Amino acid sequence: NAGVMQNPRHLVRRRGQEARLRCSPMKGHSHVYWYRQLPEEGLKFMVYLQKENIIDESGMPKERFSAEFPKEGPSILRIQQVVRGDSAAYFCASSRGQENTEAFFGQGTRLTVV
Amino acid sequence: GEDVEQSLFLSVREGDSSVINCTYTDSSSTYLYWYKQEPGAGLQLLTYIFSNMDMKQDQRLTVLLNKKDKHLSLRIADTQTGDSAIYFCAESRGKLIFGQGTELSVKP
Repeated sequence: NAGVMQNPRHLVRRRGQEARLRCSPMKGHSHVYWYRQLPEEGLKFMVYLQKENIIDESGMPKERFSAEFPKEGPSILRIQQVVRGDSAAYFCASSRGQENTEAFFGQGTRLTVV
Repeated sequence: GEDVEQSLFLSVREGDSSVINCTYTDSSSTYLYWYKQEPGAGLQLLTYIFSNMDMKQDQRLTVLLNKKDKHLSLRIADTQTGDSAIYFCAESRGKLIFGQGTELSVKP
């Protein structure tokens, strides 16, 4: 049973380009969470999704950021028109249910905007 | 406030015990967690405690929970150099809310 898989591990984008980050949850997990970690900071919650539904997007910036978790395929975090301040590590976690006892994290995608 | 708070740094000698402290905010949090992050890596779940428990022990790890003070601690017995990492506590409010992390440095 593979763990939470994120790709790419490293992503470099020029200012103004789009970044697409992918997360495949663990088998049997239908809940996905995205977090952002700025250098030398903790993890900040961004969005919580179930299949085809956004449950909580209270941590998502109002513009340029979007997330989806389609019926088939991985969850995608999309950042349009990236800026230098978007440079961070983006982590995905998955769990079986909302009131989960264990959320498992992926290795993260490190986005660098140049 | 809304923040989960931890001290930023802790330095111990190999073989000593480490105690990492955390204060959380939501008394209705059902579970409280400790995660470990090594450099350049993701988060590894170390242990968690259900809110109706005071203590949980798992090998070298002991978690203490004081619900009245909303205080959580992680004790690592016989700390090894391989324990050097950043340790995050988190509370569950439907999603996990993390502290800023405590960097543990273990000196030989």
